[in-house]
Amino acid sequence: QLRLQESGPGLVKPSETLSLTCTVSGASISRSSYYWGWIRQPPGKGLEWIGSFFYIGNTYYNPSLKSRVTISVDRSENRFSLKLTSVTAAETAVYYCARASSGTTVYYFDYWGQGTLVTVSS
Amino acid sequence: SSELTQDPAVSVALGQTVRITCQGDSLRIYYASWYQQKPGQAPVVVIYGKNNRPSGIPDRFSGSSSGNTASLTITGAQAEDEADYYCNSRDSSGDHVVFGGGTKLTVL
Repeated sequence: QLRLQESGPGLVKPSETLSLTCTVSGASISRSSYYWGWIRQPPGKGLEWIGSFFYIGNTYYNPSLKSRVTISVDRSENRFSLKLTSVTAAETAVYYCARASSGTTVYYFDYWGQGTLVTVSS
Repeated sequence: SSELTQDPAVSVALGQTVRITCQGDSLRIYYASWYQQKPGQAPVVVIYGKNNRPSGIPDRFSGSSSGNTASLTITGAQAEDEADYYCNSRDSSGDHVVFGGGTKLTVL
């Protein structure tokens, strides 16, 4: 049974760096043809894709966040991380990690973590 | 374009059929996938690709596509279908992922 679990600080100060980790169990992030990524959802609002990486290493970011986002991978621990610099209060959100399956004409997130609320406030 | 547009809210009478739509240029190239999200829960994919339902999703959920518009149809809506629904696909470049703004479905 595939499981994803987000972890990290629930409170970050404005202008500082948000750091989260997604630990994956039940599958290897290095051995299967999937994307792994981050999605966020501000309270009461919609979903926003932050970025994803393909299991062989290519990484893709939301163009609107690209200058501030880094997704890194720790294959030995089967986990991946998100860093978002210079955060503002508007980036208070539930942050999800998820696995995506992709074909020629489709891309969908089939497994999600439970999500973790990160509040940006001084 | 990298946007997917959904109606903010739709309502349906219990047992009736409802269609939720998603519009965007990328849908001329890529199929939309659809997610159901209930309060306090992570989204769950209900339809992906041309019209594929993951295991455990009732067959009253179906998907279709025409031109730049994808649709999620619920045939015989149930009270438990009341939720927010989101579409997603790749953007037109193929390198990025986009979500629609979401549709709140109310079952009357």
